[in-house]
Amino acid sequence: EVVLLESGGGLVQPGGSLRLSCIGSGFTFRDHAMSWVRQAPGKGLERVSDISASGGSTFYADSVKGRFTISRDNSNNTVDLQMNSLRVEDTAVYYCAKNRYNSLEWFDPWGQGTLVTVSS
Amino acid sequence: EIVMTQSPATLSVSPGERATLSCRATQTVSSNLAWYQQKPGQAPRLLIYGASSRATGIPARFSGSGSGTQFTLIISSLQSEDFAVYYCQQYDNWPRTFGQGTKVEIK
Repeated sequence: EVVLLESGGGLVQPGGSLRLSCIGSGFTFRDHAMSWVRQAPGKGLERVSDISASGGSTFYADSVKGRFTISRDNSNNTVDLQMNSLRVEDTAVYYCAKNRYNSLEWFDPWGQGTLVTVSS
Repeated sequence: EIVMTQSPATLSVSPGERATLSCRATQTVSSNLAWYQQKPGQAPRLLIYGASSRATGIPARFSGSGSGTQFTLIISSLQSEDFAVYYCQQYDNWPRTFGQGTKVEIK
């Protein structure tokens, strides 16, 4: 069974930093691109960032470019999201999601999510 | 960026009835469209990919159709566990984008 487990969420002040982590199991992690998708309270879904299977290519939503950094460690089956200069509007549940091999298509499955709250 | 628009925003349906959800793209996405189901407090779950292919373990009462800019998700006979929010997502063009969701509620 494929399982994704996120951690690292919490309460942070505007301008602060937070690092999210996701560990995958039940599949060959190094063969799959990975993504972070977020959902603000009561709102829809927004793809935040993607990283290729090797980690050599990364992609970001315009809303987080220059502030967030995605990385992965294929030896430990983890993908991280370093979030700097956080804004109130970054408040959301952040989901880690697996892609179909190294292609950026649909997301399947998703982790259970970790809540990030940016507030003073 | 391709904008995905779902309609209606809310759909009230009685158990056992058929539900028809629509998703429209601002430009063609071919058949590169997925549908997800999200229940309260849970992560989204993939239902359909390639506009019409059911994901593993998804019941046959869920069916997807369409291509180009117009897509439909049909739930043929609503079960109690199907009341949820449904999102479409295109992956034809970067960045991948989602619709705003359709909430299927009990009538």
